[in-house]
Amino acid sequence: DSGVTQTPKHLITATGQRVTLRCSPRSGDLSVYWYQQSLDQGLQFLIQYYNGEERAKGNILERFSAQQFPDLHSELNLSSLELGDSALYFCASSVERASTDTQYFGPGTRLTVL
Amino acid sequence: KNEVEQSPQNLTAQEGEFITINCSYSVGISALHWLQQHPGGGIVSLFMLSSGKKKHGRLIATINIQEKHSSLHITASHPRDSAVYICAVMGGKGETSGSRLTFGEGTQLTVNP
Repeated sequence: DSGVTQTPKHLITATGQRVTLRCSPRSGDLSVYWYQQSLDQGLQFLIQYYNGEERAKGNILERFSAQQFPDLHSELNLSSLELGDSALYFCASSVERASTDTQYFGPGTRLTVL
Repeated sequence: KNEVEQSPQNLTAQEGEFITINCSYSVGISALHWLQQHPGGGIVSLFMLSSGKKKHGRLIATINIQEKHSSLHITASHPRDSAVYICAVMGGKGETSGSRLTFGEGTQLTVNP
């Protein structure tokens, strides 16, 4: 158990809908990262937050947004869902924003868009 | 060409064999991760390296910064080692790239009893 929790574990929804994925980092970790793992693209970095502020952005679509709250949990919002958004979404956390910190991964949320 | 390339893509071994998975990268990095992903999907960080060599149990990871190459070795492999092993690099200097991970495509390892 990495100490990072993600909810829900599974999510099935329809095209055009909006969903919210939630991540709670390990106690004491200030950085939260979101990753997407799809069959055709593999693992990709989406976005990073550090202590409530956006730190780095990767291949995140404009239909997606994220935020980190004062209690350090983070939410990833996916809207106008398309079939291609079906993937495993992982959250990871680390202590600080230094680039050499170990990242601890949550169990992931499996999103299926029908 | 991907920034991070792993070989082989698939590897089948017999229990007890010594296994090597390779990772080459083309960008400057500050650190390299080896991750393990089990069939259930969960990802575990095995090692983070910025130089030299690390060992944990039967797992050994090495990195050669000059050659932009890392290897993951498994000694005395066991069926429970069957998983996907993923190499991921953390960006070099610079705020926007520093903490993100760029992933290889993974190596599917199957260890048969």
